[in-house]
Amino acid sequence: DVKVTQSSRYLVKRTGEKVFLECVQDMDHENMFWYRQDPGLGLRLIYFSYDVKMKEKGDIPEGYSVSREKKERFSLILESASTNQTSMYLCASSPWQGLLSGANVLTFGAGSRLTVL
Amino acid sequence: KQEVTQIPAALSVPEGENLVLNCSFTDSAIYNLQWFRQDPGKGLTSLLLIQSSQREQTSGRLNASLDKSSGRSTLYIAASQPGDSATYLCAVRPGTGFQKLVFGTGTRLLVSP
Repeated sequence: DVKVTQSSRYLVKRTGEKVFLECVQDMDHENMFWYRQDPGLGLRLIYFSYDVKMKEKGDIPEGYSVSREKKERFSLILESASTNQTSMYLCASSPWQGLLSGANVLTFGAGSRLTVL
Repeated sequence: KQEVTQIPAALSVPEGENLVLNCSFTDSAIYNLQWFRQDPGKGLTSLLLIQSSQREQTSGRLNASLDKSSGRSTLYIAASQPGDSATYLCAVRPGTGFQKLVFGTGTRLLVSP
């Protein structure tokens, strides 16, 4: 069964701490995404990557960075966590099917719920 | 900027009812629309994907339709079951931008036995 695995389901961190959220996929997908999900706001794209060492800003990249050193792993980094980064973080991946392709089914991980105190 | 709206935000029905969930989007220039299911505290599971050239897709008791010109999609669930209780989200892939999806805020469905 193909999977996107997020290493931590629940984290509690303090303001100012550096936080790493890890995501690993075993489907050999080129594209990987980090979203955050908040009540009433839906899912918002933070960063995405379409290849190793490549990254692109999404809609809300401020306060976050990412790392993609290997194809299967995409890490989200909060350099200095703040209370407004308390949220559910969702990682997803999809195969590369070209910029004009319409078939881009995303596979999501189970999510990481982060609380910043 | 593409915006996706789902109404109602919550829906409660008795088991066995047929129901329709609605999704609307502001820009009709899309590549596709996708419906997801999310169980509490979990990630999203893709249910159906409709390409912009298609009118509908079916999977079991689920049928999704797309009217691109009016900016609307519906997800029809036949003979609802308690196991269908979840939040349903729709997402569109805009006609521009790299494979980025724009999500609605979802409809929370409760099917009572």
